[in-house]
Amino acid sequence: ETGVTQTPRHLVMGMTNKKSLKCEQHLGHNAMYWYKQSAKKPLELMFVYSLEERVENNSVPSRFSPECPNSSHLFLHLHTLQPEDSALYLCASSQDARGVSVQETQYFGPGTRLLVL
Amino acid sequence: AQKITQTQPGMFVQEKEAVTLDCTYDTSDPSYGLFWYKQPSSGEMIFLIYQGSYDQQNATEGRYSLNFQKARKSANLVISASQLGDSAMYFCAMRGNTGGFKTIFGAGTRLFVKA
Repeated sequence: ETGVTQTPRHLVMGMTNKKSLKCEQHLGHNAMYWYKQSAKKPLELMFVYSLEERVENNSVPSRFSPECPNSSHLFLHLHTLQPEDSALYLCASSQDARGVSVQETQYFGPGTRLLVL
Repeated sequence: AQKITQTQPGMFVQEKEAVTLDCTYDTSDPSYGLFWYKQPSSGEMIFLIYQGSYDQQNATEGRYSLNFQKARKSANLVISASQLGDSAMYFCAMRGNTGGFKTIFGAGTRLFVKA
């Protein structure tokens, strides 16, 4: 059983819809991440939160809006998406986010497969 | 700039045999961490093994070991006694001092284990 859960697992939405992805970690970690994984492209970092503060915004379009109400929960709010936003969205958490040690090992959730029509 | 290269898009291995998945990296950071992940078709990225740049010994975790050659900037994953359940995508990743909060991932290698 994974320590990081994501809901929903699958989502189909139209370009005018508003939806949210939810991530919850049960590992007591201090950092959480959103990644986008498209077919035939490397994993793309979108956002990083450390101690509930956003510390990385990797040039992500404003139609993606993250929210981190506490260290255990992370949301990704979606609005007016484009078909090219269809991808697997992965959430991850790590104990720390500011170093290069094993404490920065990221543990991933199962992902949300998003299809934008 | 930091870079991770995985040159093998796909690999085949016979069940019960060992297989090596290649990973080379490029960084000017004196301190960095290297990670390997497994991604089955279900989508979840599963952490396998970690190697620190200053670790004297190669990391091992069960059937997984990391062949770390610092001078060559390579961090190959060795899977011993392959099992059918090892069929998956495998990603090498790196985190350096100057990367901010980013861990960069390679393009991945798809491993097929044959019965």
